Amino acid sequence: EVQLVESGGGLIQPGGSLRLSCAASGFIVSDHYMTWVRQAPGRGLQWVSLITSGGRTHYADSVKGRFTVSRDTSTNTLYLEMNSLSAEDTAVYYCARDLENIAGYIDYWGQGTLVTVSS
Amino acid sequence: DIQMTQSPSSVSASVGDRVTITCRASQSVSSWLAWYQQKPGKAPKLLIYAASSLQSGVPSRFSGSGSGTDFTLTISSLQPEDSATYYCQQAYTFPSITFGQGTRLEIK
Repeated sequence: EVQLVESGGGLIQPGGSLRLSCAASGFIVSDHYMTWVRQAPGRGLQWVSLITSGGRTHYADSVKGRFTVSRDTSTNTLYLEMNSLSAEDTAVYYCARDLENIAGYIDYWGQGTLVTVSS
Repeated sequence: DIQMTQSPSSVSASVGDRVTITCRASQSVSSWLAWYQQKPGKAPKLLIYAASSLQSGVPSRFSGSGSGTDFTLTISSLQPEDSATYYCQQAYTFPSITFGQGTRLEIK
């Protein structure tokens, strides 16, 4: 069974850093395109980042240069390193897996982890 | 960036009704469109991809249609468990995908 479990969210001061983790089971992270999507409280969904099966990374303009996506094949875990955080980054962050053979659509999502940026 | 606009923003319907939600793209996305269902406090769930392909395990009362800039999600016979917010998403500009603002569906 495919499962994605995020962790690492919490309350962080503006300008701070946080690393989110996403532990995957039931499949191999490095075999798939993996996506981070966020959702600000009461708002819609926003794409954040993608790492391809080949390891190429892509970012939304709003986080480029501040966020870094990576993966650890030994632990089958996806990460999102977030720096220079601001209030606009406050959101639930979802780790997700793209549909097999058709990248761009997301078929499995984690439960989300809340990041709150506030002083 | 391609903007996705959904209408209506909210809709209320009765069990058994046929419900239609529309999504319009600011430029053509061909058939690169998906629909998701999100219930409060939960992650989104993929319903439809490639505009009209039903995701495995999704009830057949859900269907999608359209291409280019105009798309439709139809629920043929509304069930109580369909109360949720629905989002469209374009994948034409993959990896930079964008979502609509959402349509809240309430059961009367």
